[in-house]
Amino acid sequence: GQNIDQPTEMTATEGAIVQINCTYQTSGFNGLFWYQQHAGEAPTFLSYNVLDGLEEKGRFSSFLSRSKGYSYLLLKELQMKDSASYLCAVRDKNSNYQLIWGAGTKLIIKP
Amino acid sequence: DVKVTQSSRYLVKRTGEKVFLECVQDMDHENMFWYRQDPGLGLRLIYFSYDVKMKEKGDIPEGYSVSREKKERFSLILESASTNQTSMYLCASSLLASGSTNNEQFFGPGTRLTVL
Repeated sequence: GQNIDQPTEMTATEGAIVQINCTYQTSGFNGLFWYQQHAGEAPTFLSYNVLDGLEEKGRFSSFLSRSKGYSYLLLKELQMKDSASYLCAVRDKNSNYQLIWGAGTKLIIKP
Repeated sequence: DVKVTQSSRYLVKRTGEKVFLECVQDMDHENMFWYRQDPGLGLRLIYFSYDVKMKEKGDIPEGYSVSREKKERFSLILESASTNQTSMYLCASSLLASGSTNNEQFFGPGTRLTVL
């Protein structure tokens, strides 16, 4: 079956680094997305991985290992505005290329 | 600036009422989606459409229907609203997936529906 797991909640300190993990099981993997969602707002796109390795975009990086069914989102130099939920989603070619969504990780940044 | 708009941010309806949620996108996207989001459950796909007049059931279509008469507009209909349909409803749009290209979804601001 299809399944995406990510931690429910994480806490980190301003200025530090945090890694949010995502593991997935799907029969037709066709790419992995990370989205950020602030409370009461819509999700916004952060990153996309389809090949193994690291994609870097400013303070945010995303890593993918297809053989392990594993991804992580790395946030550096944390700022208070990074407090949000981070959603992992996998595109599945056996489901009309639709996204299978994780429940999200709520990240709390403390001063 | 790309934009997905939804007709209401907040909506309160009574049990049994027919409810219409409208979504419009200005990016000429083929795909449009309706999700609901509930605490601890993540985004769940209700219906999606990849072309005008085309629709596909998502994971939780029961109690809902959709309409796509124009490319830019995708409507979600609750034929007879029930209290368990109280939720945040999010509309999204994207380009068609081509191979493994990044066809990120763009989301509207959401409609928080309360059914009393």
